[in-house]
Amino acid sequence: AQSVAQPEDQVNVAEGNPLTVKCTYSVSGNPYLFWYVQYPNRGLQFLLKYITGDNLVKGSYGFEAEFNKSQTSFHLKKPSALVSDSALYFCAVRDSPGFQKLVFGTGTRLLVSP
Amino acid sequence: GAVVSQHPSRVICKSGTSVKIECRSLDFQATTMFWYRQFPKQSLMLMATSNEGSKATYEQGVEKDKFLINHASLTLSTLTVTSAHPEDSSFYICSARLAGEGDTQYFGPGTRLTVL
Repeated sequence: AQSVAQPEDQVNVAEGNPLTVKCTYSVSGNPYLFWYVQYPNRGLQFLLKYITGDNLVKGSYGFEAEFNKSQTSFHLKKPSALVSDSALYFCAVRDSPGFQKLVFGTGTRLLVSP
Repeated sequence: GAVVSQHPSRVICKSGTSVKIECRSLDFQATTMFWYRQFPKQSLMLMATSNEGSKATYEQGVEKDKFLINHASLTLSTLTVTSAHPEDSSFYICSARLAGEGDTQYFGPGTRLTVL
């Protein structure tokens, strides 16, 4: 079965510094990978996805993610963090080929301090 | 584009009553919508997959007679929590699948259900 792991419950970073939120995956076949962000008491907002092509994917709000097949990772990055980036971030993988479900990681809370 | 709405955003009801939550894709058609439940400080738990014009597919452990799903049109799916009890209190989130590259799911803002 497809799965993703987010090894960090929380990531702390100072405003203006680069941030990385980690995600590793386990899939059979080609992975379809996604990053979503959730603000308090809100639904999830789509940030970016990797289907195929360039390993560096650019998304919304200045976020990008790097797909690394050899390390089975899909880390979310941003060159300069903002306080407003503080939120809960979820990595997800589409379930086995032919299935439409997403399998989510446990989430990583990002806290950006002023 | 790809906006999904949910109504209501918050509902409080008495134990034993039924509550209906609507999920709409505002600017695209969605043959497939999904219903999730999220407990505090936890990830999303998929409850069911809603397919337009056919019966929903429920995940293991989710009672289909308790959580009724109707996907009557390409832009609307409804979740009805029947005979709600306090343990049904939760944050319910829907998503709609935008067909195409990767079949991205776009999420609604969620509905906070509190059963007294």
